[in-house]
Amino acid sequence: SQELEQSPQSLIVQEGKNLTINCTSSKTLYGLYWYKQKYGEGLIFLMMLQKGGEEKSHEKITAKLDEKKQQSSLHITASQPSHAGIYLCGADTGNQFYFGTGTSLTVIP
Amino acid sequence: DTEVTQTPKHLVMGMTNKKSLKCEQHMGHRAMYWYKQKAKKPPELMFVYSYEKLSINESVPSRFSPECPNSSLLNLHLHALQPEDSALYLCASRRISGNYGYTFGSGTRLTVV
Repeated sequence: SQELEQSPQSLIVQEGKNLTINCTSSKTLYGLYWYKQKYGEGLIFLMMLQKGGEEKSHEKITAKLDEKKQQSSLHITASQPSHAGIYLCGADTGNQFYFGTGTSLTVIP
Repeated sequence: DTEVTQTPKHLVMGMTNKKSLKCEQHMGHRAMYWYKQKAKKPPELMFVYSYEKLSINESVPSRFSPECPNSSLLNLHLHALQPEDSALYLCASRRISGNYGYTFGSGTRLTVV
């Protein structure tokens, strides 16, 4: 079965600092997704990466998928309190979708 | 319409009640999914429907009964639930062919008392 390991498990940063969250797959990915979730709420789609070496950015968030399509990173520049939440990566294996273990982000004003 | 709509947003039910969760999409997606998410855990797959037929059941107890009456609608019927079934239930959909993304609903927060 697909396994997605995220690191770190939790992160506390000062507002304005940069941070990176990693997602590592045990298998080659057809597609890698990043979601954000506030506690108790639904998932907010951030980005989807499909090609090895692909990089996408939206506002201050950048996501990359490595050439071998087994690892992705999510980078937030100049973090803000609004970035706080749980970040989940997700993998499309072709017929199923699996979530990573999650990273809890706290941004201190 | 590019959304997956889930109703209700919140539900409180007793252990002897029968209730249903509803999920609706009008994007022409023929694959639909139910996920369960406990606090501080990632969502876990429960059921997958492809072309309105159940294709995957991840060993979910029979007190959860999915139904896909048409290509736009997915229900999850609940009966005799336990307090440990309290969770956020998420619905998702996607096109079956091609590299298209998954679209998730905002979820139903279920509390079993």
